[in-house]
Amino acid sequence: KNQVEQSPQSLIILEGKNCTLQCNYTVSPFSNLRWYKQDTGRGPVSLTIMTFSENTKSNGRYTATLDADTKQSSLHITASQLSDSASYICVAGGYQKVTFGTGTKLQVIP
Amino acid sequence: NAGVTQTPKFQVLKTGQSMTLQCAQDMNHNSMYWYRQDPGMGLRLIYYSASEGTTDKGEVPNGYNVSRLNKREFSLRLESAAPSQTSVYFCASSAYPGQGNEKLFFGSGTQLSVL
Repeated sequence: KNQVEQSPQSLIILEGKNCTLQCNYTVSPFSNLRWYKQDTGRGPVSLTIMTFSENTKSNGRYTATLDADTKQSSLHITASQLSDSASYICVAGGYQKVTFGTGTKLQVIP
Repeated sequence: NAGVTQTPKFQVLKTGQSMTLQCAQDMNHNSMYWYRQDPGMGLRLIYYSASEGTTDKGEVPNGYNVSRLNKREFSLRLESAAPSQTSVYFCASSAYPGQGNEKLFFGSGTQLSVL
């Protein structure tokens, strides 16, 4: 069964600090790994998409890494801002199917 | 630039009532999807339409029907709502049919409560 597990479930950090969110996936066949940001009351918005051959992808202060051998991905947020408060969803894509994780809820406090 | 527009944003139904959730996209995308999001679970695919004129079941299609009205619009119908259908529903679109690597664009969601 395809699964995507994210950790931690929730996280509180101070504004300006860095943080890293983790994602482990069991998806077969596997072709790509995406990270989405979901603000409260809104739909998910794509942050990064990596194919199985890519190791890292950046989008501003967001940097995603992928290790296809260990089936792990991480999302690193640098110099956090209050607007980073959201849920971050890891999504593993395979042939004609994507599997969503349950998300990490991040709260950035002043 | 509206992107993907869903209506209504909120809805309360009684068990057994019917309703249709509307979705429209203005990005000229070929593929459209309906997902539901429940607490503690990842988004789950209800139905999708790879292209105008086609629809297919996703992971959790029971209790739902869909219509791809034209290239822009994709509606989701609950014929006889049940409390288990209480959820947040998201419509999404992508430029090309889902091969597992498509970039999805989501609407803002419809929060549905079935009493």
